[in-house]
Amino acid sequence: DVKVTQSSRYLVKRTGEKVFLECVQDMDHENMFWYRQDPGLGLRLIYFSYDVKMKEKGDIPEGYSVSREKKERFSLILESASTNQTSMYLCASSLWTGGTVADTQYFGPGTRLTVL
Amino acid sequence: SQQGEEDPQALSIQEGENATMNCSYKTSINNLQWYRQNSGRGLVHLILIRSNEREKHSGRLRVTLDTSKKSSSLLITASRAADTASYFCATANSGGSNYKLTFGKGTLLTVNP
Repeated sequence: DVKVTQSSRYLVKRTGEKVFLECVQDMDHENMFWYRQDPGLGLRLIYFSYDVKMKEKGDIPEGYSVSREKKERFSLILESASTNQTSMYLCASSLWTGGTVADTQYFGPGTRLTVL
Repeated sequence: SQQGEEDPQALSIQEGENATMNCSYKTSINNLQWYRQNSGRGLVHLILIRSNEREKHSGRLRVTLDTSKKSSSLLITASRAADTASYFCATANSGGSNYKLTFGKGTLLTVNP
């Protein structure tokens, strides 16, 4: 079974802090994703990576950056956390299908981040 | 951007009853997927139906896809209290950004014992 783990289930940070959220998958998947989930807004894609050191912006990349130095690990970075970044953050991974079709995504348990 | 829209937003039924959730979308797709999310947890993949398929079954789940109407339905038969969760449809676009899934906002299903 695919396992996607996230570094923290709950995190409380202060405004202006630099925040790192880490995600690790154990199934050698090429694709990794970061989403945020907010009530009434559903899941929104922040960033996507299809290979080591490769990244693409999603729908809401502002205020975030990412890092993928190893295939199994995808980090989301909040350079200067703000209260409007309080949210549930979900990491996911999937196989690369040649860039033709989006395949099943496997999700981690989520990190609930509160920025005070 | 294209988005799956689930209907209804919330559904409350008794254990043993069937639950039907619908999803509508706007543009051409390669596949449509359904996911379940228990409260405060990550999403779990349930089933994937390709654009050339009309119906698919997995255990107590039945998914239909009508590409002419750009809609899909998820039927859960003989529901259990453990089926209480939010259910999301996600569409994989044909053409364009074909690595992405676009998620709807979900249907919250409550199964009362």
